[in-house]
Amino acid sequence: DAGVIQSPRHEVTEMGQEVTLRCKPISGHDYLFWYRQTMMRGLELLIYFNNNVPIDDSGMPEDRFSAKMPNASFSTLKIQPSEPRDSAVYFCASSLLGRGETQYFGPGTRLLVL
Amino acid sequence: GEDVEQSLFLSVREGDSSVINCTYTDSSSTYLYWYKQEPGAGLQLLTYIFSNMDMKQDQRLTVLLNKKDKHLSLRIADTQTGDSAIYFCAESSSNTGKLIFGQGTTLQVKP
Repeated sequence: DAGVIQSPRHEVTEMGQEVTLRCKPISGHDYLFWYRQTMMRGLELLIYFNNNVPIDDSGMPEDRFSAKMPNASFSTLKIQPSEPRDSAVYFCASSLLGRGETQYFGPGTRLLVL
Repeated sequence: GEDVEQSLFLSVREGDSSVINCTYTDSSSTYLYWYKQEPGAGLQLLTYIFSNMDMKQDQRLTVLLNKKDKHLSLRIADTQTGDSAIYFCAESSSNTGKLIFGQGTTLQVKP
């Protein structure tokens, strides 16, 4: 198995631009998680899906952030408009059952908003 | 609420044992995890322990769980320079199934 795949691996953009991050979970996994990692705040859960349905988006910082999962093999996290404080590493993870199950992480997308 | 705490930094000499400590608050957590993050990479699952266990050993790794004190530790025997990384402790929330991560412990291994 290829593991969780994220793209792009690096993204540099200017403030105000739209940013779209992509994730392909491990085939057969029912849960997908989006995390953000910064030096100041550590690792934060933004949102997670079960069978393509958003379950908990309480970690999404504000309305500029949105996430979708149109099918079992693809999810996007969009930031519109982006701001410099959104600069972080964004990780996608997937797991088989969710509760108590091991989460497998992708390599992350390093986002820099200038 | 749920919270996981770790010390931020640990420095050891190559060949010594490393012990990374973690405390958590959710006494009903089912699983507790240790993840490793190398520079520029994602988090990699190292090991996990079920909450009804006291100890789990996996090659150079030993996990100890003190459920009464809500204390988890990871011992790395014969620490190597390749073990230098950030180590995250995490508990699975019994209410939501989410993982709650600590802030990570940076392990520095000196040759």
